[in-house]
Amino acid sequence: ETGVTQSPTHLIKTRGQQVTLRCSSQSGHNTVSWYQQALGQGPQFIFQYYREEENGRGNFPPRFSGLQFPNYSSELNVNALELDDSALYLCASSQDAGQNNEQFFGPGTRLTVL
Amino acid sequence: DQQVKQNSPSLSVQEGRISILNCDYTNSMFDYFLWYKKYPAEGPTFLISISSIKDKNEDGRFTVFLNKSAKHLSLHIVPSQPGDSAVYFCAASDSGGSNYKLTFGKGTLLTVNP
Repeated sequence: ETGVTQSPTHLIKTRGQQVTLRCSSQSGHNTVSWYQQALGQGPQFIFQYYREEENGRGNFPPRFSGLQFPNYSSELNVNALELDDSALYLCASSQDAGQNNEQFFGPGTRLTVL
Repeated sequence: DQQVKQNSPSLSVQEGRISILNCDYTNSMFDYFLWYKKYPAEGPTFLISISSIKDKNEDGRFTVFLNKSAKHLSLHIVPSQPGDSAVYFCAASDSGGSNYKLTFGKGTLLTVNP
């Protein structure tokens, strides 16, 4: 069983650009959550996708959007990048959306916005 | 507002001694608590959890204690080993939500000295 993978590892963008981050969940996991971890902070919940539908959203503006595909992959898209979007972006997959389902995290994508 | 607080940014202990990491929360709706460990360049990995119906959960060298009245939990590691050196995140969730959203603290960097 392969773990959760994310690509790219690092990314540098400039203000106003758009970015797409990718995540490959563990096989059989129908739920993926995305988190933003700013420097010196804990991960902050962006949103969750369950069976390809958004299943809850944290306090992030609409320019943060996502997609989940049937092949256990997912994307996080951020439009109109701002300097404060610089952070580590983590995805986590779980077998289901319920509370007792362990979330398995990927290594993250480090985004730098200049 | 920070709903999960880890007030100690760092902790240093000797190998073989006990490590005690603390966490406080403010949201009374939280009913499930977790500890994650994070090494550099890796995603957080699940360590141990506790439901609000319990006050203690033990798994090998790791024990989590929950004091609901004080809204406080702690992670005890006995005996501490150099391989335990990592950032430890406390996280909490609310089963009343539609998704298993985790709210994280800022983390505590544990260093175990040989």
